[in-house]
Amino acid sequence: ELKVEQNPLFLSMQEGKNYTIYCNYSTTSDRLYWYRQDPGKSLESLFVLLSNGAVKQEGRLMASLDTKARLSTLHITAAVHDLSATYFCAVDITAASKLTFGTGTRLQVTL
Amino acid sequence: KAGVTQTPRYLIKTRGQQVTLSCSPISGHRSVSWYQQTPGQGLQFLFEYFSETQRNKGNFPGRFSGRQFSNSRSEMNVSTLELGDSALYLCASSHGTAPGTQYFGPGTRLLVL
Repeated sequence: ELKVEQNPLFLSMQEGKNYTIYCNYSTTSDRLYWYRQDPGKSLESLFVLLSNGAVKQEGRLMASLDTKARLSTLHITAAVHDLSATYFCAVDITAASKLTFGTGTRLQVTL
Repeated sequence: KAGVTQTPRYLIKTRGQQVTLSCSPISGHRSVSWYQQTPGQGLQFLFEYFSETQRNKGNFPGRFSGRQFSNSRSEMNVSTLELGDSALYLCASSHGTAPGTQYFGPGTRLLVL
């Protein structure tokens, strides 16, 4: 059974600081997704990583995938308050739109 | 391009009742997946439909069922509601023929009393 673990579960960071969220998964896959969820809202797609070594960047966020280590990272550079949200990674091993989500990382960026 | 829409957005039911939720995917998308989100269990996959056929099913009891119509719209039904079924139900659509982003709808928040 596929297990997806994220850490940390909660992250409080000051504006301007850098930090990394880690996503480990238990079964080989080259399909890894990152989503953002604001309180009371739905999921917003951030990144789709479909090969070993894939790196995607959007603004202050950068995601990477290492399929051999079964690890994806979401790096936050110079955090701003608007990045406060819960971030989920998700893995698909079926190629049939069945995502297994991590526990989520609640990010709080303080002034 | 219109996004994924879900109706209703909020629902209050009592134990033992049944409920039907609806999801309209993005135009051209043939895959619709359903997820349940609760504080305790997180986001869990319910099932996925592609071209009116269920391709994948999660580990939920038979009280949870779904279907997809020829226009790709999907419904999920929960019979004999239990308190633990209170959750945010999200549907997501994608092309379904190759790995790619699943786009999520706003969700239906179900409260079972």
